Amino acid sequence: AQSVTQLGSHVSVSEGALVLLRCNYSSSVPPYLFWYVQYPNQGLQLLLKYTSAATLVKGNNGFEAEFKKSETSFHLTKPSAHMSDAAEYFCAVSRPGTASKLTFGTGTRLQVTL
Amino acid sequence: KAGVTQTPRYLIKTRGQQVTLSCSPISGHRSVSWYQQTPGQGLQFLFEYFSETQRNKGNFPGRFSGRQFSNSRSEMNVSTLELGDSALYLCASSLDVAGGLTDTQYFGPGTRLTVL
Repeated sequence: AQSVTQLGSHVSVSEGALVLLRCNYSSSVPPYLFWYVQYPNQGLQLLLKYTSAATLVKGNNGFEAEFKKSETSFHLTKPSAHMSDAAEYFCAVSRPGTASKLTFGTGTRLQVTL
Repeated sequence: KAGVTQTPRYLIKTRGQQVTLSCSPISGHRSVSWYQQTPGQGLQFLFEYFSETQRNKGNFPGRFSGRQFSNSRSEMNVSTLELGDSALYLCASSLDVAGGLTDTQYFGPGTRLTVL
């Protein structure tokens, strides 16, 4: 069975500050990992994904995440937050071969203040 | 290319009724998955359809069912609605050319179902 833990249901940063959203996973096999973002009243948009290629993955809008097997982590970072980054972020895991069945974390709501 | 579309966007039903939600995947996508999103349970996988067959299933009661048509459009049905079925229902489609190995799911805007 796979699971994802997102530490911190709410994160608040100042505009221009570093964004760090934490995700730890549990999987019995090498996983595929994803970060999705959800804006109010919208569906989920893929930010980036890890599928066993490069461990540092770059995504949209300056976000990146690093797969660390030893720490079972896939934290999402962005060097400088922008007001438009305010949204809910979901980390998700799937098994290779069943990428259509995602297991999501509980989400982290990112607030960006002036 | 048009994204995933879901209809209707909003729906209000009463307990005991049934409801059908529709999802049109991105053109050329063959896999359609459904998820339920609630404040209490978060995002949970309902089921996935590929080539008109249910390929994966989550842990939901039999009141939740779905189907896929030959054009890959999908519907999900919930019978005997309960208050707890109030949720945002998201549909996602993927190309699935390589059997799901590195495929990506693209989500629609969702249907918000309110059960009174």
